[in-house]
Amino acid sequence: ETGVTQTPRHLVMGMTNKKSLKCEQHLGHNAMYWYKQSAKKPLELMFVYSLEERVENNSVPSRFSPECPNSSHLFLHLHTLQPEDSALYLCASSQSGTGQETQYFGPGTRLLVL
Amino acid sequence: DQQVKQNSPSLSVQEGRISILNCDYTNSMFDYFLWYKKYPAEGPTFLISISSIKDKNEDGRFTVFLNKSAKHLSLHIVPSQPGDSAVYFCAASEGAGSYQLTFGKGTKLSVIP
Repeated sequence: ETGVTQTPRHLVMGMTNKKSLKCEQHLGHNAMYWYKQSAKKPLELMFVYSLEERVENNSVPSRFSPECPNSSHLFLHLHTLQPEDSALYLCASSQSGTGQETQYFGPGTRLLVL
Repeated sequence: DQQVKQNSPSLSVQEGRISILNCDYTNSMFDYFLWYKKYPAEGPTFLISISSIKDKNEDGRFTVFLNKSAKHLSLHIVPSQPGDSAVYFCAASEGAGSYQLTFGKGTKLSVIP
């Protein structure tokens, strides 16, 4: 595997379900990100982890819970989601500290909440 | 309030011609700019970037121009190819120590054979 991978690629869940999205980067980077892309809106940054510590949390509801067990893996745990949470969830990674970050994205998980 | 704006939601260009995608920004703290390309059902792919100390960066058929005084950047694709048909996102960063990339809404480019 190369680059940034995400599983699953598609997910349908009910509002009472609990599920997790997984991201893995094979680029040797030390920063990882979760983004949300809703229809007709720009990509919105949700969470940033640098050296496995959360450095940004952009006012995301607590029904989204990130976890970064090591610099290569990032999870997004989902529980009691709402239909408006249906979106494309993108993971990205970068090599932090340069001040000029190029972020590399995974293919995304298309989430539908019923 | 959107800090990065791509005012053209779509653009159609004939194959072989130049495609020009535009992006405007309002935050004067932005000092690093990127273009990403996105195909349906895939994540954004990094295309080209430019630092605020430059006004032009070229990579093959892709050139990005930055006009700091106008807070405007553009991506030129010459010659355009059908495989370039995708959504193009402009993004900006405040540079040192900043993890945040602020994205525009994207411009859908269609290159007509």
